[in-house]
Amino acid sequence: DQQVKQNSPSLSVQEGRISILNCDYTNSMFDYFLWYKKYPAEGPTFLISISSIKDKNEDGRFTVFLNKSAKHLSLHIVPSQPGDSAVYFCAAPLPDGGTSYGKLTFGQGTILTVHP
Amino acid sequence: ETGVTQSPTHLIKTRGQQVTLRCSSQSGHNTVSWYQQALGQGPQFIFQYYREEENGRGNFPPRFSGLQFPNYSSELNVNALELDDSALYLCASSNGQGDSPLHFGNGTRLTVT
Repeated sequence: DQQVKQNSPSLSVQEGRISILNCDYTNSMFDYFLWYKKYPAEGPTFLISISSIKDKNEDGRFTVFLNKSAKHLSLHIVPSQPGDSAVYFCAAPLPDGGTSYGKLTFGQGTILTVHP
Repeated sequence: ETGVTQSPTHLIKTRGQQVTLRCSSQSGHNTVSWYQQALGQGPQFIFQYYREEENGRGNFPPRFSGLQFPNYSSELNVNALELDDSALYLCASSNGQGDSPLHFGNGTRLTVT
């Protein structure tokens, strides 16, 4: 049962434009969300997170928006750069407690390609 | 600061064999989690180790087992390998506090033939 879903397998944007990556979730118990970026032959790298008590979190060119009523979150990258080309995963901690957020459920990922 | 390191980087095994994958956690991190990433999918949680004890397990059969050592390094063992076990195996560590994010290694690519 996929609790976090990324329905767009790929996204292609022009350098300098906005990239919007989407993620839907089914479990209303989720209270924290993370985005990871993955380059080929490397492990995922933490990008940005958001708590369910907020609806927006910003870090430089990256902003994550959370719509709890729609169970939807999105990652905005402005302006997009060729170096942003990677696979992006949204994730949420599995709601069974435990130490820190080491038990995550991930979406399937979206391949972002930014063209020069 | 040394990051998460995994060995080996690639491995080819035959169905029915056993395999051991190794992970050294990032300096100062006491919690290790293992994930399986099949082609075209997101990582799937296998299990987590904290203070040398298993602390949560995903939907994986008992032939997937692990260990954590006093220096917080960890092993993932898979017995009776099946073709579907072919995947990228990722190890991640954290300091076990609050909302500290996971730091992932580059993974071990396992191919079962």
